[in-house]
Amino acid sequence: DAGVTQSPTHLIKTRGQHVTLRCSPISGHKSVSWYQQVLGQGPQFIFQYYEKEERGRGNFPDRFSARQFPNYSSELNVNALLLGDSALYLCASSLRGPEDTEAFFGQGTRLTVV
Amino acid sequence: GIQVEQSPPDLILQEGANSTLRCNFSDSVNNLQWFHQNPWGQLINLFYIPSGTKQNGRLSATTVATERYSLLYISSSQTTDSGVYFCAVGFWGGSEKLVFGKGMKLTVNP
Repeated sequence: DAGVTQSPTHLIKTRGQHVTLRCSPISGHKSVSWYQQVLGQGPQFIFQYYEKEERGRGNFPDRFSARQFPNYSSELNVNALLLGDSALYLCASSLRGPEDTEAFFGQGTRLTVV
Repeated sequence: GIQVEQSPPDLILQEGANSTLRCNFSDSVNNLQWFHQNPWGQLINLFYIPSGTKQNGRLSATTVATERYSLLYISSSQTTDSGVYFCAVGFWGGSEKLVFGKGMKLTVNP
């Protein structure tokens, strides 16, 4: 069975640009969550989607948005990129939500903003 | 919000030694997971253990939910065990997310 897949794996963008990151969950999983991890810290929650509805949002500015598609894949969009958005972005897949079912993570997208 | 504290923050061992990692959390949880982050950044699932004890080879974990802590045991450590270990908890009514500790960096020397 395929695990959680994220694309692209690496990305370099310029300040002010827009970026779209993609995630495909494990087959049968209906929840996708997004996390940001900066160097030396633990992952920080950005969004959770379940059955195409947003169920949770972390403390991130409105420049960050996401959506989930009918096939349960998801996109994370970041507008007006800042240098501080440079980080590893992780996608997690779970049967329901990570609040009470096991979450599995993709390999991440490493975003560098220059 | 819920607090997750991991200890020790760093640990250096010789190959073959045993270690215990601790995770304390400040409120009741419905999910507790241990992860190992590999050098490329991927979080590898070690245990899904909201309560009880589990073992997988040289690794085992125990969560005492009533006392709000979990322990990860690594026996006969190998250099491939090196990396960062995270504890993460999930709970209802908490924005439906996992809250991570700051991680513990383990270095196993040959």
